[in-house]
Amino acid sequence: QKEVEQDPGPLSVPEGAIVSLNCTYSNSAFQYFMWYRQYSRKGPELLMYTYSSGNKEDGRFTAQVDKSSKYISLFIRDSQPSDSATYLCAMLTDSWGKFQFGAGTQVVVTP
Amino acid sequence: DVKVTQSSRYLVKRTGEKVFLECVQDMDHENMFWYRQDPGLGLRLIYFSYDVKMKEKGDIPEGYSVSREKKERFSLILESASTNQTSMYLCASSGPGPYEQYFGPGTRLTVT
Repeated sequence: QKEVEQDPGPLSVPEGAIVSLNCTYSNSAFQYFMWYRQYSRKGPELLMYTYSSGNKEDGRFTAQVDKSSKYISLFIRDSQPSDSATYLCAMLTDSWGKFQFGAGTQVVVTP
Repeated sequence: DVKVTQSSRYLVKRTGEKVFLECVQDMDHENMFWYRQDPGLGLRLIYFSYDVKMKEKGDIPEGYSVSREKKERFSLILESASTNQTSMYLCASSGPGPYEQYFGPGTRLTVT
């Protein structure tokens, strides 16, 4: 069983809808939780990171962590075609800066 | 802006060739990483380095080696390329906590 599970999608939504992405993990020692966005043929770029359970908002993006359930989510409000990308969750596994990544969810926002 | 650059975007090599992938970062980061990315498998860590001349194996080091002679440069070496090493290779660097990683654009390697 993988330490981090993420539905690969694709997830297709109409423009303006809310996109809901999630990851589950098995290791309760995971600390920082991050979301990356990766456009086709590009490297991943950091969107947001959180440390504690709860919500963190940044513009149209909200990251949510529930450590008791080992579950993290990313919500994208008012989705745009430019949000079409693969979204990867990542979790810090040790103090050397190593992360465990999810497989990524492909999101397609249709105009 | 953090910049991580990789020497090639696309590379085609033959089976058995020795392949060098170069990565350079300009943010004085201590930590550097090499991943490969394959459909359905996500990012898998090959090697990482937390200091010059210090390196550690990741989850899939077999068939690879690395070199870090200078802080800003981390090289991945495929000693004898094989077709199952055809993949997207991503380099990343990170600073102190929360250790967010900054990625290069990737090198798509095809081994024929």
